[in-house]
Amino acid sequence: DIQMTQSPSTLSASVGDRVTITCRASQSVSKWLAWFQQKPGKAPNILIYDVSRLQGGVPSRFSGGGSGTEFTLTISSLQPDDFATYYCQQYVTFPWTFGQGTKVEIK
Amino acid sequence: QVQLVESGGGVVQPGRSLRLSCAASGSTFSRFAMHWVRQAPGEGLQWVAVMSHDGINEYYLDSVKGRFTISRDNSRNTLYLQMNSLRPEDTAVYYCATSPGIALAVGPPFEYWGLGTLVTVSS
Repeated sequence: DIQMTQSPSTLSASVGDRVTITCRASQSVSKWLAWFQQKPGKAPNILIYDVSRLQGGVPSRFSGGGSGTEFTLTISSLQPDDFATYYCQQYVTFPWTFGQGTKVEIK
Repeated sequence: QVQLVESGGGVVQPGRSLRLSCAASGSTFSRFAMHWVRQAPGEGLQWVAVMSHDGINEYYLDSVKGRFTISRDNSRNTLYLQMNSLRPEDTAVYYCATSPGIALAVGPPFEYWGLGTLVTVSS
């Protein structure tokens, strides 16, 4: 199975900050990498797929990058609605696997 | 756009069975591969199983293989998860979710999600 490791596990930031979350895969996932946002008690919501494709309706302050085994999710200017938990996920091979999550908290 | 609604969760004793359903509306259910994803209380997301749009191919998480069975009825726009020999570690919110295909397909994975249904396995 491909292991996905996110860092940091928790991130404290302020509104307006630029925030970057890193995701590392135990083997190459090529372009098959997505990012999700989840708020308490809600289903996840897809932000980015194929490493850097922004899902329709997602604000442009979210961006994704990387290749192979190392990927990033960047929020260019953190907004109050962005405080949530973020997950990376690979879909190159089954079992599809998620990172353990990064909780973005208010500083 | 597609709307998904899960049902069938509840409290069940270890070793017993439960069947979850996921009813779809609003779009063409039969064009999506369908997944079950679970989330234990306070934990992260874990993919459980997938079935191709035509019901021919299916894959499972190793820890549920032989105990869980995914199926779908495209005439009823419904996805199912039959869960047998349940264990306490199966306790989670179970979500159904879509993807455009079962492998390396064009488009986002898990574009649409249901609200989830809670399964609690406890004596």
